[in-house]
Amino acid sequence: SQTIHQWPATLVQPVGSPLSLECTVEGTSNPNLYWYRQAAGRGLQLLFYSIGIDQISSEVPQNLSASRPQDRQFILSSKKLLLSDSGFYLCAWSPGQRGWSEQYFGPGTRLTVT
Amino acid sequence: SQKIEQNSEALNIQEGKTATLTCNYTNYSPAYLQWYRQDPGRGPVFLLLIRENEKEKRKERLKVTFDTTLKQSLFHITASQPADSATYLCALGNAGNMLTFGGGTRLMVKP
Repeated sequence: SQTIHQWPATLVQPVGSPLSLECTVEGTSNPNLYWYRQAAGRGLQLLFYSIGIDQISSEVPQNLSASRPQDRQFILSSKKLLLSDSGFYLCAWSPGQRGWSEQYFGPGTRLTVT
Repeated sequence: SQKIEQNSEALNIQEGKTATLTCNYTNYSPAYLQWYRQDPGRGPVFLLLIRENEKEKRKERLKVTFDTTLKQSLFHITASQPADSATYLCALGNAGNMLTFGGGTRLMVKP
């Protein structure tokens, strides 16, 4: 069966510090991968979407970036965090090559920028 | 711009009753619609998918309807239980398997 991992689970970082969140998927190949951010009491905002290694689309302008160095690894980064980057970050995957598949979410990372 | 509206107020119902949650959208022509359940501090969990040419989809105690004329989806939980208490998110999708999520509605089922 497929599983998705995210770490760390929680993170407290000062403004201006760098960020690296990692997501890995097991049990599937060529997945579509996603990074979302969820503010408190709000819906999910899509940040990045990837259909393959080094194929990443950015959905919103921001000081975040994403990379996919391996087929089942997705990394969210920032060089300098802002207070507004605080939130709940979720990684998700869906089967590739399918037009309307459900998405499977990881456990999330709670980021607090102080 | 695309807009998805879910009731931001919590829905409180008594155990055993049917819960009905609403998802309305504007400026969008989705190919499909999905519903997810999210518990506090956890990632969303997929529940149901319904395509634009389908009127209704059922799974156990869950039922989803999709009216592309009204631009609305209704999500029903029959014989609700306290364990059904959670936030429910609707999400609309088109080609490319990208989803746009609504803000979610919190459901509280009281014993």
